[in-house]
Amino acid sequence: EAEVAQSPRYKITEKSQAVAFWCDPISGHATLYWYRQILGQGPELLVQFQDESVVDDSQLPKDRFSAERLKGVDSTLKIQPAELGDSAMYLCASSLGRGISPLHFGNGTRLTVT
Amino acid sequence: AQSVAQPEDQVNVAEGNPLTVKCTYSVSGNPYLFWYVQYPNRGLQFLLKYITGDNLVKGSYGFEAEFNKSQTSFHLKKPSALVSDSALYFCAVREGYSSASKIIFGSGTRLSIRP
Repeated sequence: EAEVAQSPRYKITEKSQAVAFWCDPISGHATLYWYRQILGQGPELLVQFQDESVVDDSQLPKDRFSAERLKGVDSTLKIQPAELGDSAMYLCASSLGRGISPLHFGNGTRLTVT
Repeated sequence: AQSVAQPEDQVNVAEGNPLTVKCTYSVSGNPYLFWYVQYPNRGLQFLLKYITGDNLVKGSYGFEAEFNKSQTSFHLKKPSALVSDSALYFCAVREGYSSASKIIFGSGTRLSIRP
């Protein structure tokens, strides 16, 4: 079964440093999501792409976070500068983007900011 | 705005007994409802969804969910629990049929099955 690939799996960085996460969705999936999951809580949507266009980034802290999906395939989420409160699991998900198709999640990147 | 609530942080059940994980939702239009499961240090896995039709939806690993429009609930159920069912379960709601519609997740319920 095809999977959503994410890297790195774990990342430790010092506050004020820059960090980037990469996601490769399932081939043919038009919709890509980045979620942040704080330990013990549900995933919170950061940004949603339809092909290469952003359709929702209302919860993305734009002063420090940026996301792109230039060719409508893989995507990068960047944080600059990282803050202690950014420590969380960052999950990427994709879906066909047609009808009510379920989300397929990657295994996430666990970020620790020290 | 849509919302979803999972009133129980943890549910404890003995192996072989039936289990229920509760979920209630709030949307202004037609609800599209999902259940996902998460194992430690992994992403979420899709279990089942409700779009329309039969109020009892069957999904993966023997799980099913009952949609109740009047109570705005979508409880996850399984007739006989397994120790391997122990995990974190999330209910999610999507408001709208458009692919641009936002999907909101509940806070999660930790299911613990004792042998």
